[in-house]
Amino acid sequence: KAGVTQTPRYLIKTRGQQVTLSCSPISGHRSVSWYQQTPGQGLQFLFEYFSETQRNKGNFPGRFSGRQFSNSRSEMNVSTLELGDSALYLCASSLERAPADTQYFGPGTRLTVL
Amino acid sequence: GQNIDQPTEMTATEGAIVQINCTYQTSGFNGLFWYQQHAGEAPTFLSYNVLDGLEEKGRFSSFLSRSKGYSYLLLKELQMKDSASYLCAVPAGNKLTFGGGTRVLVKP
Repeated sequence: KAGVTQTPRYLIKTRGQQVTLSCSPISGHRSVSWYQQTPGQGLQFLFEYFSETQRNKGNFPGRFSGRQFSNSRSEMNVSTLELGDSALYLCASSLERAPADTQYFGPGTRLTVL
Repeated sequence: GQNIDQPTEMTATEGAIVQINCTYQTSGFNGLFWYQQHAGEAPTFLSYNVLDGLEEKGRFSSFLSRSKGYSYLLLKELQMKDSASYLCAVPAGNKLTFGGGTRVLVKP
């Protein structure tokens, strides 16, 4: 069974631009969570989607948004990029509603904002 | 809210044993996860403890004490490939809250 896939793997943007990241969960997994990882703050929860509904949101500004499609694929969008948004963005999928079930992570998208 | 503490870094010798501690404070408890993350890679699942006691999986074991808000990950017969960050995480309110991670450096 294929693992979690994320595209693109690397991205370079400039301040003020917007970006869309994509995540395809493991087949049969219905919950997708997004995390931001930086050296200073570690792994921080962004949001979680289950059956196309956002179930929980972390402590991030409204510039960070996401959605989930009927096939469980998910996208996250960051608008008006800031230098501090440079990070590794990880998505994780699980069978049922996170986090009681084990979350499996994709390889991540490394975003650099110049 | 949740508060999770783990040491920042540990160094050990190949073939030795290392114990990585994790203490947590959480409102409501739904278990504790351990993940391994090599530099530049995604975290990979190691273990999930929801009941007190020790669970062994090959060279890796994880222990949980719910009354003490404490867990540890034990790595035995250390190998060079075990050099990585080890993250403990607790689930709460549909999200995983991670500790800062413990970077383990295995020396020959």
